[in-house]
Amino acid sequence: EDKVVQSPLSLVVHEGDTVTLNCSYEVTNFRSLLWYKQEKKAPTFLFMLTSSGIEKKSGRLSSILDKKELFSILNITATQTGDSAVYLCAVYPESSYKLIFGSGTRLLVRP
Amino acid sequence: SQTIHQWPATLVQPVGSPLSLECTVEGTSNPNLYWYRQAAGRGLQLLFYSVGIGQISSEVPQNLSASRPQDRQFILSSKKLLLSDSGFYLCAWGRITYNEQFFGPGTRLTVL
Repeated sequence: EDKVVQSPLSLVVHEGDTVTLNCSYEVTNFRSLLWYKQEKKAPTFLFMLTSSGIEKKSGRLSSILDKKELFSILNITATQTGDSAVYLCAVYPESSYKLIFGSGTRLLVRP
Repeated sequence: SQTIHQWPATLVQPVGSPLSLECTVEGTSNPNLYWYRQAAGRGLQLLFYSVGIGQISSEVPQNLSASRPQDRQFILSSKKLLLSDSGFYLCAWGRITYNEQFFGPGTRLTVL
């Protein structure tokens, strides 16, 4: 059965810290991996990764994919209280319309 | 630019009552449309997806149904709600398969 596992489940840090969120997956014929940020309502899209070893970057957020070891990480540097959210990882198997989501990592950044 | 709307934002319904949630997309044509449910503290579960008018695929057997009467309109329905139908319902759209999906603001449904 296809699955996506995120760790840690929750994380509390202080402003200015750097955090690394993990996403591992087991899917039939991987196609792409997506990261979303969910605050109080709908998830907002962050990154889509399809190629191994190529870092995607947006401001203080960056993500990289390792297709050999079947995982991705999301890094947030110099965290701010506005980074507090649930971060969701999702994977597209080949030949499927179905995005498979992990349960998310809940990040709390304290001032 | 594209926008996606959902309504209502919140809904409280008694067990056994009907349900109709609506989702519309603006600024794009022939989108793929999706309905997800998110239980408290959990990830998203895909309920239905549609690649065109009148084309609906169901992912999970349940007492919910979906319809796509127009290109940019997606409706989630139930004839009789169950307690287990409570959750956060999200509509999403994507341009083509395997690409990014963008989510609407969601409907928080409580069945009492």
